[in-house]
Amino acid sequence: AQTVTQSQPEMSVQEAETVTLSCTYDTSESDYYLFWYKQPPSRQMILVIRQEAYKQQNATENRFSVNFQKAAKSFSLKISDSQLGDAAMYFCAYDMDSNYQLIWGAGTKLIIKP
Amino acid sequence: GAGVSQSPRYKVAKRGQDVALRCDPISGHVSLFWYQQALGQGPEFLTYFQNEAQLDKSGLPSDRFFAERPEGSVSTLKIQRTQQEDSAVYLCASSLHTEGNQPQHFGDGTRLSIL
Repeated sequence: AQTVTQSQPEMSVQEAETVTLSCTYDTSESDYYLFWYKQPPSRQMILVIRQEAYKQQNATENRFSVNFQKAAKSFSLKISDSQLGDAAMYFCAYDMDSNYQLIWGAGTKLIIKP
Repeated sequence: GAGVSQSPRYKVAKRGQDVALRCDPISGHVSLFWYQQALGQGPEFLTYFQNEAQLDKSGLPSDRFFAERPEGSVSTLKIQRTQQEDSAVYLCASSLHTEGNQPQHFGDGTRLSIL
């Protein structure tokens, strides 16, 4: 069975600095998708970035980028130039290709210090 | 806005009561998902619809949980004879379809508290 592990329950970073959130997963599949979602106190899950496993190039969305290591089954999220609005719970999620069921990690609470 | 809409935002019920949670997906989205999110944890899959067909209900925790999407648009998650362990945030998500792995768009969730 697929599992997703986020080993950091909480992380804090100074505003304008860079922070990396870790995520590892376990799967026997070769084709799948990985996601990072952000959940602010308003509760709405917001897609931050997604990675297709068959693509070697790491995905990037403005200040957000991932370090995808397929062999190590690692999918970390780097947030550059952290802003106060980045404070939220961050969830890593896995989706097997052509499947629909997202498998979620337990989340990392990100605190931004002004 | 044109996002996923869930109602009510908060629901408090006494143990043993029945509750109904509503989800309005994004117009035109074929796929609809329900997740349960306990406090401090990630969401867990409950059930999935493609149009009006419920293709997977393997995540529903008991037969007290029932979901429907009769016209392939609005969906209702019903919980009968609620128990305290049902207290959680219930998230609804929709996606255009599942081919090519379209991203899921989430609503704000319904926080259910069972007293």
